[in-house]
Amino acid sequence: GQQLNQSPQSMFIQEGEDVSMNCTSSSIFNTWLWYKQDPGEGPVLLIALYKAGELTSNGRLTAQFGITRKDSFLNISASIPSDVGIYFCAGQLENAGNMLTFGGGTRLMVKP
Amino acid sequence: DGGITQSPKYLFRKEGQNVTLSCEQNLNHDAMYWYRQDPGQGLRLIYYSQIVNDFQKGDIAEGYSVSREKKESFPLTVTSAQKNPTAFYLCASSSTLDLYEQYFGPGTRLTVT
Repeated sequence: GQQLNQSPQSMFIQEGEDVSMNCTSSSIFNTWLWYKQDPGEGPVLLIALYKAGELTSNGRLTAQFGITRKDSFLNISASIPSDVGIYFCAGQLENAGNMLTFGGGTRLMVKP
Repeated sequence: DGGITQSPKYLFRKEGQNVTLSCEQNLNHDAMYWYRQDPGQGLRLIYYSQIVNDFQKGDIAEGYSVSREKKESFPLTVTSAQKNPTAFYLCASSSTLDLYEQYFGPGTRLTVT
């Protein structure tokens, strides 16, 4: 079963607002990744995190690898209409080889 | 341009027929993966292959089969034994240097009626 809890499931925000979403688990992860998926397309890798406490930015996106290694956060600053889509977290579980476990996704809607 | 291609984008089949989905990559990646995505849900791993002529079952392999005869290609067959085959299928690949960074193709939407 799914071992990653991603929240919120959906968000409807005003253009210009900041956005925060997170993934949590009771299991320890060695790697966290964040993807964005546009409707009918494949997910696109946004940020990869490899160390506990790591904070990495990609433009207006910032992601953090939680200190406990059981969670990760993604922030989007000053949202714009093209940020609309579904954001997925994915993690590589400790002792799970190179397989990824995916969260259920956060659907972001931005009102111009 | 390097990337992953999946064809066709949309596929329609009658119940009881096997169907093969194509996935090709020119990224020189060793590892390739197949995922299934249902509406409003995350991705579930069907099969993966870390090297040519070798592949492993993922979480939901029943009713599916794969082959990996070439590094560039990892076709997925959805057999008639798959009870709910209608879904969005995504292929991904990763290199041995960055094994966890999986790059996805555009997906194939399969509808079985």
